[in-house]
Amino acid sequence: AQKITQTQPGMFVQEKEAVTLDCTYDTSDQSYGLFWYKQPSSGEMIFLIYQGSYDEQNATEGRYSLNFQKARKSANLVISASQLGDSAMYFCAMRGSEGYNTDKLIFGTGTRLQVFP
Amino acid sequence: DVKVTQSSRYLVKRTGEKVFLECVQDMDHENMFWYRQDPGLGLRLIYFSYDVKMKEKGDIPEGYSVSREKKERFSLILESASTNQTSMYLCASSPPGGADTQYFGPGTRLTVL
Repeated sequence: AQKITQTQPGMFVQEKEAVTLDCTYDTSDQSYGLFWYKQPSSGEMIFLIYQGSYDEQNATEGRYSLNFQKARKSANLVISASQLGDSAMYFCAMRGSEGYNTDKLIFGTGTRLQVFP
Repeated sequence: DVKVTQSSRYLVKRTGEKVFLECVQDMDHENMFWYRQDPGLGLRLIYFSYDVKMKEKGDIPEGYSVSREKKERFSLILESASTNQTSMYLCASSPPGGADTQYFGPGTRLTVL
């Protein structure tokens, strides 16, 4: 069975510093995808970044990068130059590769990030 | 701009009431999903639909049913609401194939008294 683990319930970071949010996954699929979402206090889920299992390069989107280590089954999110507006819940998610499992996502329990001045 | 809307942001119901949560998407997506979100548990899939009138159970379908009569609309039904169904409910949609992200609605915070 597929599983996503986020072991950090909460993280603090000072403004302008970089922070890494951990995500490990478990799957027997050869083809899979990994997503990160941000959920501010307003509640909407905002897509941040995607990494496919066959992508050779780590995904980057602006200040977000995904540190993908396939052998270790980890997909950590790195936020560079943190801003106060980055304070939110962050979720790691994975999709499978078989049938309708390609369209379903499995989510981790989330990490609450707080950025302080 | 893609859009998923949910009928209510906040809802308060009494135990035993029948509750309808509505979700509408304007992106012509085949897939639609209902999740519930609870602190410390993340998002858990209740049901999803990959086509009109088609549905599949997710991880926690007990106590819920769904309806998809039109492609753009996916309804979550609590036949007889209970206090343990107090939660945040999130709807999402996506095209088939898994390569794209799911697009989420703003969520409905349901309280069952």
